[in-house]
Amino acid sequence: ETGVTQTPRHLVMGMTNKKSLKCEQHLGHNAMYWYKQSAKKPLELMFVYSLEERVENNSVPSRFSPECPNSSHLFLHLHTLQPEDSALYLCASSAPNTDTQYFGPGTRLTVL
Amino acid sequence: GENVEQHPSTLSVQEGDSAVIKCTYSDSASNYFPWYKQELGKGPQLIIDIRSNVGEKKDQRIAVTLNKTAKHFSLHITETQPEDSAVYFCAASIQKAGNMLTFGGGTRLMVKP
Repeated sequence: ETGVTQTPRHLVMGMTNKKSLKCEQHLGHNAMYWYKQSAKKPLELMFVYSLEERVENNSVPSRFSPECPNSSHLFLHLHTLQPEDSALYLCASSAPNTDTQYFGPGTRLTVL
Repeated sequence: GENVEQHPSTLSVQEGDSAVIKCTYSDSASNYFPWYKQELGKGPQLIIDIRSNVGEKKDQRIAVTLNKTAKHFSLHITETQPEDSAVYFCAASIQKAGNMLTFGGGTRLMVKP
């Protein structure tokens, strides 16, 4: 285990639902990341927060909304998703002045 | 932006044989190259990394080599075991705050007993 936890581990939602994914780490890391992992595609970086400020948003649709209330928690709010958004959503974190990222186990999202 | 290519996409070896996975990158400014192992139902786990000031790094049965001139790096696993079966990802980044990794497409390694 890396010390990065994600909840829920599995989520099934309809296209009109609103749900949130949660990521938590108590490793003293100050940067947190959301990635999307789809079948047969490389991991796609979605959002990066450093010191609780968003520093990167890789042209992600607005139906994905991140929130980083403090350095230990990261959320991904989901609304009006499409079936093609079904994927494994991974959270990662890294320590100050280092570039090694530690990943959580992911949330398997299915959009019906 | 950075682009990372990884080959092969699948690799099957007999237990005890060696396995080699290769990656190329496009941005000559990249200076950090980690390798991750992802088992079924789990997130990627860092297994080894190398920085651009080093040409080779070993950790027991795992080694990584880096050729900055050619912009490619490789993962070598010796004496493979069935528990090495997993998907392996290479990545590249430019070290900075809010470090952003660009990943290769992954290699599914199968070690046959």
